[in-house]
Amino acid sequence: ETGVTQTPRHLVMGMTNKKSLKCEQHLGHNAMYWYKQSAKKPLELMFVYNFKEQTENNSVPSRFSPECPNSSHLFLHLHTLQPEDSALYLCASSPAGSGGGGRDTQYFGPGTRLTVL
Amino acid sequence: AQSVTQPDIHITVSEGASLELRCNYSYGATPYLFWYVQSPGQGLQLLLKYFSGDTLVQGIKGFEAEFKRSQSSFNLRKPSVHWSDAAEYFCAVAPNTNAGKSTFGDGTTLTVKP
Repeated sequence: ETGVTQTPRHLVMGMTNKKSLKCEQHLGHNAMYWYKQSAKKPLELMFVYNFKEQTENNSVPSRFSPECPNSSHLFLHLHTLQPEDSALYLCASSPAGSGGGGRDTQYFGPGTRLTVL
Repeated sequence: AQSVTQPDIHITVSEGASLELRCNYSYGATPYLFWYVQSPGQGLQLLLKYFSGDTLVQGIKGFEAEFKRSQSSFNLRKPSVHWSDAAEYFCAVAPNTNAGKSTFGDGTTLTVKP
């Protein structure tokens, strides 16, 4: 138990559906991250938030829409996804945030396994 | 930009045997380096990290890693592997100005034989 929770753990959706992934951290951290982990590919950073402000968008398609209402919660809104978007989506948090630099350490949640039909 | 290579996609060792997982990085200065472990259906758990100082880093679960600047390597070792160590292991490198911007390797899957 890392102090980062993700819901749901599994999600199956059609290409026309709209769904949201939720991440919550109980560590008092200031930065939160979304990663995509596909089979046979390295972990890909998608978005970074520092103190609720988005500081990084790693050329992610607009069908993925993040939201960070406060430093403890992070959402990933999904709409009109493609089958190639099927992956494990991991949330992470860290104390200082990537914008703050320095010796930061990320703590990961268990992930949401997304399947797009 | 930094990059990291894990040359071994899959390694099999016998329980009780020693383990070494390789990691090579590319970065213009001394980077921040990390090893994570991921069990099936789980997120990534940090095993150890190197920021500066002693080049031999001790981590959790009996793992250690050694930073070798001359070889641009940060190999993970364990003297005696347990069956519960079977998992996927990821090496990550981050710039020394921003540990939050990690680049991950492709991972090495460890199988432990009884």
